Amino acid sequence: DAGITQSPRYKITETGRQVTLMCHQTWSHSYMFWYRQDLGHGLRLIYYSAAADITDKGEVPDGYVVSRSKTENFPLTLESATRSQTSVYFCASSEAGPLDQPQHFGDGTRLSIL
Amino acid sequence: KNQVEQSPQSLIILEGKNCTLQCNYTVSPFSNLRWYKQDTGRGPVSLTIMTFSENTKSNGRYTATLDADTKQSSLHITASQLSDSASYICVVSAGAGGTSYGKLTFGQGTILTVHP
Repeated sequence: DAGITQSPRYKITETGRQVTLMCHQTWSHSYMFWYRQDLGHGLRLIYYSAAADITDKGEVPDGYVVSRSKTENFPLTLESATRSQTSVYFCASSEAGPLDQPQHFGDGTRLSIL
Repeated sequence: KNQVEQSPQSLIILEGKNCTLQCNYTVSPFSNLRWYKQDTGRGPVSLTIMTFSENTKSNGRYTATLDADTKQSSLHITASQLSDSASYICVVSAGAGGTSYGKLTFGQGTILTVHP
């Protein structure tokens, strides 16, 4: 089925380790986004991409790296995980810019860093 | 600083009752406002999007209103069902529109619990 899928759904790792969260969409949407969701905060944008090979920082990019070599994939890497990065991470996509079109979200990756 | 504040933080109602959730925003320049529903353990799903010129929009039992003058929006749920139990998130867009990226500001959400 078409949609946006995130993997893994749950991940436990240790501080200092590198971890990559995967996001795959089958709509060929131009825009893709990574958010984190924490208690006491609304969804906060980490990085976004307007097209393959085009990425830009969002509100809270420190400690994260993204790439987008193919339109359908947008992995998020924590190069050296810290406890403050424990969160639920959501990937989203939209056909056009987010001002014009609704975003379609994946079901999230719950990441715990010990 | 752009802000979106939602109230109440949480709400408990009985099945079949109506309820209204509030969203106040200070976002400039305003582009549109949307409501999302987020079920536990799932990603948000869009319910409605409203632009400056729209003051009411419905999606089944969900009706959103927008007052651009007072910068307030509400989401009214009619004849609530157990499946309406979720977090409802107000998101306001600022920017010029088109294909360029603009800023989305997310509220913290209202957690609605519907009891039988």
